[in-house]
Parts: sequence; C-alpha cells; structure tokens
Amino acid sequence: EPEVTQTPSHQVTQMGQEVILRCVPISNHLYFYWYRQILGQKVEFLVSFYNNEISEKSEIFDDQFSVERPDGSNFTLKIRSTKLEDSAMYFCASKLNPNSNQPQHFGDGTRLSIL
Amino acid sequence: AQSVTQPDIHITVSEGASLELRCNYSYGATPYLFWYVQSPGQGLQLLLKYFSGDTLVQGIKGFEAEFKRSQSSFNLRKPSVHWSDAAEYFCAVAAGGSARQLTFGSGTQLTVLP
Repeated sequence: EPEVTQTPSHQVTQMGQEVILRCVPISNHLYFYWYRQILGQKVEFLVSFYNNEISEKSEIFDDQFSVERPDGSNFTLKIRSTKLEDSAMYFCASKLNPNSNQPQHFGDGTRLSIL
Repeated sequence: AQSVTQPDIHITVSEGASLELRCNYSYGATPYLFWYVQSPGQGLQLLLKYFSGDTLVQGIKGFEAEFKRSQSSFNLRKPSVHWSDAAEYFCAVAAGGSARQLTFGSGTQLTVLP
C-alpha cells in the first residue's frame, strides 16, 4: 500500500538555526498537510497545501514557517529560526483530492529537537 | 470552531476484555469523524471513518465505532482486546473549508494487561 514518507526521522538543531523537514506524499494525492504534536499534547494542524499554494493555515503557522513543493514529489516544511518551543513531532499527511470523503494518510513523523 | 473531547486520558483493560473509548465532538454541520491509532514511535494509522449513512462503521483490526448525533459522540469499540492493541488512540473531526483539516482530541492511552 502506498505510504507517506518523512525524512529525517529525528532532527536535532540548535536554537536559531533553520530546519527543513521533508515529506514525500502518496504519488497521486493532491492535498498536503503538516501537523505537529508537542510531547504529551494533542496533534495540531499547521497548514494545508493545494495546487501549489497554501489552502489553510492555523495561528501556529506564523512567519517563521513556510511550505514548498519544490518538485513533483517532495513537500517541505521550513522553520527559519527555530525556538525551543518548536520541539515536537511533525507529521505530514496527504489526501487524494479535495473531496471530503477521502481520509488523510499520515507519515511516521519527524521528531524535531531544538537545543 | 470545531472541537473533540476524549474524556479518558488512560484506560487499562485485560487481554480478551471488551473496550470502549469515548469521543465527543462539537461541530456545527454534519461531521466527518475519524479514529486514528498511534503506536510508540509510529505515525497515525487510520482505523475507521464516518462520513454519512450507516451510523455503525467497521474498521481495521476488529474495531468499530458508532456515530450518535443526539449525543455528539463517536465511541470506538472492540469486543475482545489483544495485547497488540496497546497504543494511543485519537479521535478527530474534519473541519470546514476545502482543505478539511483535522481537529484531534487529546488522545486516550490504552494499556492491555496479560
């Protein structure tokens, strides 16, 4: 069964540094998402992306965050100047099409640790 | 705004016993509801979903869930729990808008005793 893949599985970065988290959505999917889960807390929506632009974003997704689909397969989340509170598990998800009857498929996540 | 409440932070059951995990949602329109499971170090795996129609939905691994509009609930059940079911379980509702992003509950950690 096709999967969403995320790399790396664990990223350790110094505070203030830029970090890029990478995702390869399922190949024929058109909607892409980033979520995060701070340790011990619920999974929170960050941003959705469709047709090469942001579709929706949460209040968490401030100017420090950006997303990009640099080619036909990758979907990236960039954090420009990381803070301690950015430490979390980041999940990428994809969905076949805008039809709400389609479920989102999640990757295994990238654990981001900010030192 | 939509919200999801999972009242039980942690549930412990014996292997072979039945299981019910509670989920209550708040959403103004017809909800699209999901249950996901997360094993340690793993991503979120879809167990089942409800969009419309039959209010009792079947999922993978022997799980089922019942949508009750009058109670705003979508409880997850399994008649006989296996040790491999130990994990964290998340209920989610799909929000409005074209993207239909998910709003998650805070999760229920399931421990299975031998």
